[in-house]
Amino acid sequence: QKEVEQDPGPLSVPEGAIVSLNCTYSNSAFQYFMWYRQYSRKGPELLMYTYSSGNKEDGRFTAQVDKSSKYISLFIRDSQPSDSATYLCASFNTNAGKSTFGDGTTLTVKP
Amino acid sequence: EAGVAQSPRYKIIEKRQSVAFWCNPISGHATLYWYQQILGQGPKLLIQFQNNGVVDDSQLPKDRFSAERLKGVDSTLKIQPAKLEDSAVYLCASSLDGLASSLSYNEQFFGPGTRLTVL
Repeated sequence: QKEVEQDPGPLSVPEGAIVSLNCTYSNSAFQYFMWYRQYSRKGPELLMYTYSSGNKEDGRFTAQVDKSSKYISLFIRDSQPSDSATYLCASFNTNAGKSTFGDGTTLTVKP
Repeated sequence: EAGVAQSPRYKIIEKRQSVAFWCNPISGHATLYWYQQILGQGPKLLIQFQNNGVVDDSQLPKDRFSAERLKGVDSTLKIQPAKLEDSAVYLCASSLDGLASSLSYNEQFFGPGTRLTVL
């Protein structure tokens, strides 16, 4: 079993839709939870990260972590064609000092 | 601020050949990572350096892969000999200080990657 499992997708939505991307994790030592965006033929770039449980909002993006259920979510409001990319969730174990990535969900936002 | 630089961007080789990738991290970043990203999968950590010392190479196939970070700045990753299953994007990333002792998350900045095809 992978330590970080991500809904595989792909996901295709019309412009303006609300998008929900989800992951689960198994390692209780994970303390930081990140969302990366990866455009085709580019490296991942960090969108946002949260520490422990709770919500974090940044513009149209909201990250949510529920440590009791080991569930990680990213919500995108008013999705735009420029949001079309692969979204990677990741978790960071401060004891081990390393990140573990999910396999990504590819999102297409159609104009 | 310049980002993480990698070269070459693309490489095609035949199996059993050798190949090397180069990475120049963001200036001042102590920690450097090499990841392997197979098509349709997330990045998998191969090796992590803190300055010029290895912190974690537990997932590096040491019979064929090697990496070094001389002088604690640039790094090279080598595969010798390459196998078909090594076809992937090799990503380099750096962070200010990724050591566990920091007890906090340090953002990793990724380079554009090197796309390797082994025929």
